[in-house]
Amino acid sequence: EAEVAQSPRYKITEKSQAVAFWCDPISGHATLYWYRQILGQGPELLVQFQDESVVDDSQLPKDRFSAERLKGVDSTLKIQPAELGDSAMYLCASSLVRISTDTQYFGPGTRLTVL
Amino acid sequence: GENVEQHPSTLSVQEGDSAVIKCTYSDSASNYFPWYKQELGKRPQLIIDIRSNVGEKKDQRIAVTLNKTAKHFSLHITETQPEDSAVYFCAALSGGSNYKLTFGKGTLLTVNP
Repeated sequence: EAEVAQSPRYKITEKSQAVAFWCDPISGHATLYWYRQILGQGPELLVQFQDESVVDDSQLPKDRFSAERLKGVDSTLKIQPAELGDSAMYLCASSLVRISTDTQYFGPGTRLTVL
Repeated sequence: GENVEQHPSTLSVQEGDSAVIKCTYSDSASNYFPWYKQELGKRPQLIIDIRSNVGEKKDQRIAVTLNKTAKHFSLHITETQPEDSAVYFCAALSGGSNYKLTFGKGTLLTVNP
């Protein structure tokens, strides 16, 4: 069964450093999502792509976060500079098409710790 | 925007008992309500979902009910087993063109043998 892949699984960095996370969605999935999950809470959407285009980045802190999906396949989420409050699980998800009831499949996440 | 409230935050049951988790949502235009199970250190996985034109859906020991008028939906697990222990998240998909999934804060379910 195809799954969403993410790397690295764990990342420890110091504040003010740059970090990057990578996501490879399920093959053929047009829509890709990046979520942030703070311990004890549900995932919160950061950015949503349809193919290579951003369709929603209203919750992305654009002064330090950036995301791209250049060829409409895999995606990178970057934080520069990292802050202590960025410590969280970063989850990537994908869905086949961008319709209202399409299932979102999640990757295993990247656990970020900022010291 | 959409707001999803989930209760309880923790739930402990004996093996074989039933477990119920409840969620409310604020956006009356929301039309899709999935439930995800997240085991410790693993990815969230969809266990069941319900669309707004349906009041109830069942899959073996798991069922979900939706009350659109009251804007709440519930997850029911019967004959619980230790492997049901996990964090469960409800979510609601906003209507319109946004297609944004808003999650509840999760319920930690512990099934005691």
